Amino acid sequence: IQLTQSPSFLSAPVGDRVTITCRASLGIRNYLAWYQQKPGKAPKLLVYGASTLQSGVPSRFSGSGSETEFTLTISSLQPEDCATYYCQQLLGAPLTFGGGTKVEI
Amino acid sequence: EVQLVESGGILIQPGGSLRLSCVASGFTFSNYAMNWVRQAPGKGLEWVSTITDSSSHIYYADSVRGRFAISRDNSKNTLYLQMHNLRAEDTAVYYCAKAPLGDYWLALDYWGQGTLLTVS
Repeated sequence: IQLTQSPSFLSAPVGDRVTITCRASLGIRNYLAWYQQKPGKAPKLLVYGASTLQSGVPSRFSGSGSETEFTLTISSLQPEDCATYYCQQLLGAPLTFGGGTKVEI
Repeated sequence: EVQLVESGGILIQPGGSLRLSCVASGFTFSNYAMNWVRQAPGKGLEWVSTITDSSSHIYYADSVRGRFAISRDNSKNTLYLQMHNLRAEDTAVYYCAKAPLGDYWLALDYWGQGTLLTVS
């Protein structure tokens, strides 16, 4: 199952609403997770089950979608949100990741 | 606090063999499926392998099947990745990552800091 993220890069001012899209080549129900990775650091889980926020993740992050189309939204972009974001499908092996979206302020 | 600490990454020649380790703490290791994920320099994330809590189910990416073997020692809270016939394209930071309790196909909820393998 291939995942296509868009855009691959985005730049937005602090306070803006930002949306990242992840499209799956086959329906994956809600077996989709989103991760945030900052330079030189390990990825961090943000959202699982397409829309469930991981404990401790700020509420400005939200996920939605099902089957083949998913979105990660940051309702009000903050400086600490500068990172690369990846989607991952977990319907079954082989697990796959999207190509990533780099977010800059 | 969940901690995952990988080790074993080095500079090695093509064709060589190596074993990576990941020591877990802060949770009951034997209850959770575990994963290896890698990231080539400047590239995205690539899932490598998953092993269930009792090692009853094991899965591999096509790119490593037949060359890599995942295993675990629940008495030592340690996950392993044995790698053979290494290639330049195996150069990457290797992360171990924990799955949630229950449905191990839900997410990778905690990650280690990674260990760098260079094949050259």
